Parts: sequence; structure tokens; C-alpha cells
Amino acid sequence: GEDVEQSLFLSVREGDSSVINCTYTDSSSTYLYWYKQEPGAGLQLLTYIFSNMDMKQDQRLTVLLNKKDKHLSLRIADTQTGDSAIYFCAATGGSQGNLIFGKGTKLSVKP
Amino acid sequence: DTAVSQTPKYLVTQMGNDKSIKCEQNLGHDTMYWYKQDSKKFLKIMFSYNNKELIINETVPNRFSPKSPDKAHLNLHINSLELGDSAVYFCASSRFRGNRLRNTIYFGEGSWLTVV
Repeated sequence: GEDVEQSLFLSVREGDSSVINCTYTDSSSTYLYWYKQEPGAGLQLLTYIFSNMDMKQDQRLTVLLNKKDKHLSLRIADTQTGDSAIYFCAATGGSQGNLIFGKGTKLSVKP
Repeated sequence: DTAVSQTPKYLVTQMGNDKSIKCEQNLGHDTMYWYKQDSKKFLKIMFSYNNKELIINETVPNRFSPKSPDKAHLNLHINSLELGDSAVYFCASSRFRGNRLRNTIYFGEGSWLTVV
């Protein structure tokens, strides 16, 4: 089955760029997603990328997909303290194509 | 207008009790899910229903029983609650089932269950 891995912690200074990395195992995953979870809150869909794309940009967010290496990254430009949250990578997989989540990367932004 | 709403948001209960969490979606989606997030923030699917039919039933104790009266509702009933059941339970929905098209999953705000 699908396995999604991401590092657990990332710390950056305000104004710097953040890059959160993720790897997945199922090459048939058609969509890959990034969700954001702020403290005490639910999961908010940030962005997604279709597997035939290499890059997708949405304001301060850039998603890069290397399908050959099964590597996905989320870059946040000009990171702000409000970006502090846990970021989950998710890939379609599983027996019914449900989402398989990584363990989440906790992003801490220092002023 | 909340797309996926679940109640209650917070629930504190004693071991051995039976409790339910309700979920409703107004997106017209065919598929609904329950995910569990443990104390380490790990998210794992528990159940999925498509048009009231159970399609995913992961390794979950049978004290947990989902019920889908219609495709807009998926409730989670938990019998004989144990300390280890303390977690955040997320309801979610998607337009389709399976790995097709852009089957984005939308999540509710979560229900924080604490068993004491």
C-alpha cells in the first residue's frame, strides 16, 4: 500500500522561505495534496497537484513534484508567523483510493 | 455555511461509556470518511462510506460502529470507551470514491474526544 513520509519538524525565521518535503511510494497516485492544521483546528486544504504536472504556484505557495523520485515539496515564500502550523502531505492510495497522510511537518516560524 | 460539520467539537467522558459523534456534509458528495488523529498528530483512516455503503473498514476495534442514514450523514458510535480512544476524530467527504479525477477530500473541524 501507499506510504507517505515527511520530516517532523522545520524551523525558519520570519521572512525566509520554508521548504517542506514529502516522499510517497505509490507511483499510481494521481493527485497529491498539502493540508494545513493550525493548533486546535481542523485540516485546511492548501493546494494540490496532478501527477502529470511538475510545478504549481499559488501566491506564496509553490508545489514541486518529481514523479520519477516520488518526491513532493511545498515552498512557502516570505514565511510569516501565521504560517506556523502542521503541514500534511497526502497522496491518493489505499485499497479504495482514499487519502494516505504523512505524519505531518510542524513548521515553527521565529520572529 | 460549513461544508462538513461535526458535533460535538469537544467531548469528555468516562471509561466504559458509549458516545456518538455526528457528521453532516452539504456539498452533495457521495463519499464520507472518518479519520482518527492520535496524540502524536498521526492521521489514519477508519471508515469510508459511498452512497450509504461501507467501502473502507480499516483495522478498528468493533466497538467503533459507523452509521450512514443517508449519503449526507455519517455518524460514529463508540461503545465501552477506553482511555486509548482519546483522540481527535475527523469527518470528511469527497465527491467520488477512489483514485479518479480530482477527488479532493474536505474535512470537518474535528471532534476532540477525551476519555477519563
